[in-house]
Amino acid sequence: DAKTTQPNSMESNEEEPVHLPCNHSTISGTDYIHWYRQLPSQGPEYVIHGLTSNVNNRMASLAIAEDRKSSTLILHRATLRDAAVYYCIKNLGGNEKLTFGTGTRLTIIP
Amino acid sequence: NAGVTQTPKFQVLKTGQSMTLQCAQDMNHEYMSWYRQDPGMGLRLIHYSVGAGITDQGEVPNGYNVSRSTTEDFPLRLLSAAPSQTSVYFCASRLDRVIETQYFGPGTRLLVL
Repeated sequence: DAKTTQPNSMESNEEEPVHLPCNHSTISGTDYIHWYRQLPSQGPEYVIHGLTSNVNNRMASLAIAEDRKSSTLILHRATLRDAAVYYCIKNLGGNEKLTFGTGTRLTIIP
Repeated sequence: NAGVTQTPKFQVLKTGQSMTLQCAQDMNHEYMSWYRQDPGMGLRLIHYSVGAGITDQGEVPNGYNVSRSTTEDFPLRLLSAAPSQTSVYFCASRLDRVIETQYFGPGTRLLVL
């Protein structure tokens, strides 16, 4: 079961939008797309998840491609506190086994 | 709610020693899991539980035991510590099979000499 593919690192300027891409070409119809982030020296923190439609919450937006083989996490206005490693995970609905890759390390430039 | 709590925050062991990492949650979550994170890597699942009295193995279970006698607690036992078990350990919980969100604890940093 192939995992997702993310860039190792990205940089963005403070107060600008950030688009974090994720490829999941082997996704099945019942796989959810999850995003978690891990701030330095902390446990992972849930960001957002979705199945087919685009999703919005107070932290971010998730844009899912029509064929569901890729998705983009959008932080609308990055702050220094958003500097973290962001993990994109595809997971069978109801499955408790989250499989983490190495994620994207996001650096925010003041 | 305190959420997911873990103790201790940091521990040093000698090879061959045993210890128990504690994890508790006060959210009445059915699912609980243990992950380990090695430097520069993502998290790997060790063991998980879908309810009191039910546990199962994850990706890297060797050298670890778990039990789930209550909904709130999910301790992780190292029977005979090895240097390869030096890592940061995270406990997580999830409400049930329907709600996808997992909540993670702050982690326990373990050093085995």
